[in-house]
Amino acid sequence: GENVEQHPSTLSVQEGDSAVIKCTYSDSASNYFPWYKQELGKGPQLIIDIRSNVGEKKDQRIAVTLNKTAKHFSLHITETQPEDSAVYFCAASRPNDYKLSFGAGTTVTVRA
Amino acid sequence: GAVVSQHPSWVICKSGTSVKIECRSLDFQATTMFWYRQFPKQSLMLMATSNEGSKATYEQGVEKDKFLINHASLTLSTLTVTSAHPEDSSFYICSATSYLTTANTGELFFGEGSRLTVL
Repeated sequence: GENVEQHPSTLSVQEGDSAVIKCTYSDSASNYFPWYKQELGKGPQLIIDIRSNVGEKKDQRIAVTLNKTAKHFSLHITETQPEDSAVYFCAASRPNDYKLSFGAGTTVTVRA
Repeated sequence: GAVVSQHPSWVICKSGTSVKIECRSLDFQATTMFWYRQFPKQSLMLMATSNEGSKATYEQGVEKDKFLINHASLTLSTLTVTSAHPEDSSFYICSATSYLTTANTGELFFGEGSRLTVL
């Protein structure tokens, strides 16, 4: 089955700096890669996703890049703000398979 | 995005009792729902997949007689933790999608989670 690895496990950045989280996946057939933000005591919230036919996607301060050859994808948050502090999860799924395989999560702390 | 609601958001029960958690899709018909459990500071672990009108498919290592899942309608799935014990204490999260939505976007919609504490 799919194995998704996520690094780093914790990340502390100064407000205004950028944060980068990296994930690798094992199943070359995977084609959907979402990123979720989870605040304490709440369910995951989709913040951005990318499909394998696209190399990069951006939504305001958030961007995701995908290298299908190397089987890795990354989340970039620019101009970080204290409200960006949360746990972020990457995930991957195969075509027509709605089951997501999640990374272990990254706890992001933005220092004011 | 679509809204998925879970109830209750937290529950405390005595050991040996059963607890039911509901997952509702409020503004779309969910042909498929997923149930996850999440221990503190850990990732989401898929427990089972339920398709409306059919039996749930459980992941390896998940006891189907312990975690009863019912998906009787296109807007409601329930997870019943039977004869709960302290080790069942966890954060349970559901997600929902429809085949059409997932085929087009791949997106799953998550509930807010239900925290179960078994004393």
